[in-house]
Amino acid sequence: AAGVIQSPRHLIKEKRETATLKCYPIPRHDTVYWYQQGPGQDPQFLISFYEKMQSDKGSIPDRFSAQQFSDYHSELNMSSLELGDSALYFCASSLEGVVTEAFFGQGTRLTVV
Amino acid sequence: AQKITQTQPGMFVQEKEAVTLDCTYDTSDPSYGLFWYKQPSSGEMIFLIYQGSYDQQNATEGRYSLNFQKARKSANLVISASQLGDSAMYFCAMREGSGGTSYGKLTFGQGTILTVHP
Repeated sequence: AAGVIQSPRHLIKEKRETATLKCYPIPRHDTVYWYQQGPGQDPQFLISFYEKMQSDKGSIPDRFSAQQFSDYHSELNMSSLELGDSALYFCASSLEGVVTEAFFGQGTRLTVV
Repeated sequence: AQKITQTQPGMFVQEKEAVTLDCTYDTSDPSYGLFWYKQPSSGEMIFLIYQGSYDQQNATEGRYSLNFQKARKSANLVISASQLGDSAMYFCAMREGSGGTSYGKLTFGQGTILTVHP
């Protein structure tokens, strides 16, 4: 079965650079969530989208922005990168109304040097 | 206040034995869902099992079962017949509410590292 696809899997950026992470949800899923997992930490919710509209916002820095496109894929844009942004970034998708599922992609490991 | 608490930073189990990973939660919402995920060293987050707050029976998925004690607000994961491949970090997570725009996000516990010995 198709899963959540994230790209790239690994990314190395320098401080103050920008990065764009992509997420392709499971087919038919209309909701996308982004999470950030720092080293040795639990995942923290950043932002979510339902039907291309932002549905909830968590602890996402102002330097980050995200959107969901007409084909339901989502992109997380990160500017003015800081060393502390180094983390594993997960995207998860679900279908509105289906409460029993929340499937995650394999994550993008971002390293800021 | 911590919404999800996993009090066991690390657990050890012998291969083929059963192990219980603890999870307690805190919510005032009558409608919620509890999830368990496995995160191996490769980093991916693998969905294991789900329990809804209104479910009368404990959830089971193969070797995984969830010991749901609603009054105690606990949702412990039981892994039977442990295998070497079960060695990983395990996260308990909660989704609160039954709808609305803030419905879907998960709040995670701190995780428990499980090590299975041969």
